[in-house]
Amino acid sequence: GAGVSQSPRYKVAKRGQDVALRCDPISGHVSLFWYQQALGQGPEFLTYFQNEAQLDKSGLPSDRFFAERPEGSVSTLKIQRTQQEDSAVYLCASSLGQGELFFGSGTQLSVL
Amino acid sequence: KQEVTQIPAALSVPEGENLVLNCSFTDSAIYNLQWFRQDPGKGLTSLLLIQSSQREQTSGRLNASLDKSSGRSTLYIAASQPGDSATYLCAVRPVIVSGGSYIPTFGRGTSLIVHP
Repeated sequence: GAGVSQSPRYKVAKRGQDVALRCDPISGHVSLFWYQQALGQGPEFLTYFQNEAQLDKSGLPSDRFFAERPEGSVSTLKIQRTQQEDSAVYLCASSLGQGELFFGSGTQLSVL
Repeated sequence: KQEVTQIPAALSVPEGENLVLNCSFTDSAIYNLQWFRQDPGKGLTSLLLIQSSQREQTSGRLNASLDKSSGRSTLYIAASQPGDSATYLCAVRPVIVSGGSYIPTFGRGTSLIVHP
């Protein structure tokens, strides 16, 4: 596609619900990153994929967070048993190797 | 571990002023540095990318410089306009070494308001 696409744009979940956030990167981009951004803060790294391989998941805050990119294109970030502290904007970015990073519009998650 | 600091955290200026936003980083072994703009409730829009071998990049009223040895980058905005109001973020991408990190590290951003 022309840019990085994320869906849904907004998600409201009740505490304890599972959510799935989708990222469709720019076609051909090998590298895919997920970041979490709290209000007034910079993006904080969650996980990194090179094609379908998850090379770094050191930023995932707990084992309730899981990410996959099974065919090396679309990626899904899943959060199980959501908690209020999970409320944030989740950003996806892709790049061709070490080149310019391109971001999607993000998913704003609110956990009530 | 790479740390990125942006100063000032917030800036409010009248229209027409020339601005300097600063980004500093602790590890000079970088591959590139990228400046972004973020409008409220939106994703990040790329402004300028500077490779580690470059000293500066320009796009319109924006000029970004890089001094890798001192761990600093500066974003210069000429003749600021109300439409420039946004948060400006810098991100540093590391050189990939065996066992090292691939991960771009972000600063917390500078929140800019340009008033008419």
